[in-house]
Amino acid sequence: DAGVTQSPTHLIKTRGQQVTLRCSPKSGHDTVSWYQQALGQGPQFIFQYYEEEERQRGNFPDRFSGHQFPNYSSELNVNALLLGDSALYLCASTMTGINYGYTFGSGTRLTVV
Amino acid sequence: AQTVTQSQPEMSVQEAETVTLSCTYDTSESDYYLFWYKQPPSRQMILVIRQEAYKQQNATENRFSVNFQKAAKSFSLKISDSQLGDAAMYFCAYRTYGGATNKLIFGTGTLLAVQP
Repeated sequence: DAGVTQSPTHLIKTRGQQVTLRCSPKSGHDTVSWYQQALGQGPQFIFQYYEEEERQRGNFPDRFSGHQFPNYSSELNVNALLLGDSALYLCASTMTGINYGYTFGSGTRLTVV
Repeated sequence: AQTVTQSQPEMSVQEAETVTLSCTYDTSESDYYLFWYKQPPSRQMILVIRQEAYKQQNATENRFSVNFQKAAKSFSLKISDSQLGDAAMYFCAYRTYGGATNKLIFGTGTLLAVQP
């Protein structure tokens, strides 16, 4: 049973560019959350998607947007990249109604130069 | 707003010994979940142990156990018989009780080194 799959694993972008990160949740999971983990820090919640809608959002600017598809997979888009957006982006999935069953992927390491 | 604090940036333990990682949190809620996650160099966040705040009994998972002090808002992780594979970054996390929609709030982590 595959867990959470994220792609790509590493990415280098230039300031001002746009980037799309992808996440496939664990089989049976319908809710996807995204986290940003800066170097040496704990993950920070970006937003959560359920039934193709953003259900909760953290303190991130509108440059960060997302999408969830009918198959529950999700994308994270970041526009107008800044150097400070360099981080590990983690995707976590769970099943609605399960209060603690988060499964994390291995993340996408984004470097903005 | 809830906060999670890990005051030990780095810890070291000898193989087969016991180590305790500290975590404190702040919340005005009475029901919530607390977690310890392990993040090895592979980067995947792995759940080590969880505690429901309404349970008085401390959670235990094999060599991992917690000391949950609700009044003191403290949630420490004890690793017994430490193994080389335990070396990783450990994060304490908080989640509001009820529903799967609520975000995890993480501390800044403790880097655990295991010496052979």
